Amino acid sequence: DIQMTQSPSTLSASVGDRVTITCRASQSINRWLAWYQQKPGKAPKLLIYKTSSLESGVPSRFSGSGSGTEFTLTISSLQPDDFATYYCQHYSSTTPTFGQGTKLEIE
Amino acid sequence: QMQLVESGGGVVQPGRSLRLSCAASGFTFSNYGMHWVRQAPGKGLEWMAIISYDTSEKYYADSVKGRFTISRDNSKNTLYLQMNSLRPEDTAMYYCAKDSGSGYSYEDYWGQGTLVTVSS
Repeated sequence: DIQMTQSPSTLSASVGDRVTITCRASQSINRWLAWYQQKPGKAPKLLIYKTSSLESGVPSRFSGSGSGTEFTLTISSLQPDDFATYYCQHYSSTTPTFGQGTKLEIE
Repeated sequence: QMQLVESGGGVVQPGRSLRLSCAASGFTFSNYGMHWVRQAPGKGLEWMAIISYDTSEKYYADSVKGRFTISRDNSKNTLYLQMNSLRPEDTAMYYCAKDSGSGYSYEDYWGQGTLVTVSS
């Protein structure tokens, strides 16, 4: 199975900051990568698919980039609602896997 | 309005079985692949299984292969997960999620989950 590794595991930032989360795949996944946001006690929510396509209704401050084995999620200007845990997931095979998650905390 | 509602969770002893259900509404269920994903308390997301729109293909994570079975009834708009030989490490919130296509893609909509606790 393809392993997904996110960094950092925890990120402390302030409202208005620009933040970047990295996701690395153990082998090439082309651009078959999605990002999800999860808040405590809630189900995950799709943010981005196919590396950089924004899901309908997701604010434009979220963006994704990358290809092959290295990918990033960027939030251009953090808002209070953005403090949550973020997961990447590859779907390049019939057995997709998630990264371990990045918790975005208020500094 | 799209909705996925999981049910069937609860407390079960190790070695026993449990069947989870996921009732879908608000979209054409029979056109989409469906996933099960779980999350142990305080841990990350773990993808577990997928079934294609027409039940022709099913795939599982190694951690549940041979113990868990995914199925669906398109006439009832319902997804199932039969869990056998349960272990304490299967304790988790179990989410059903809709595939963005007929199968083998990302999950674009999730239910709120049902909690399974495996304990003696």
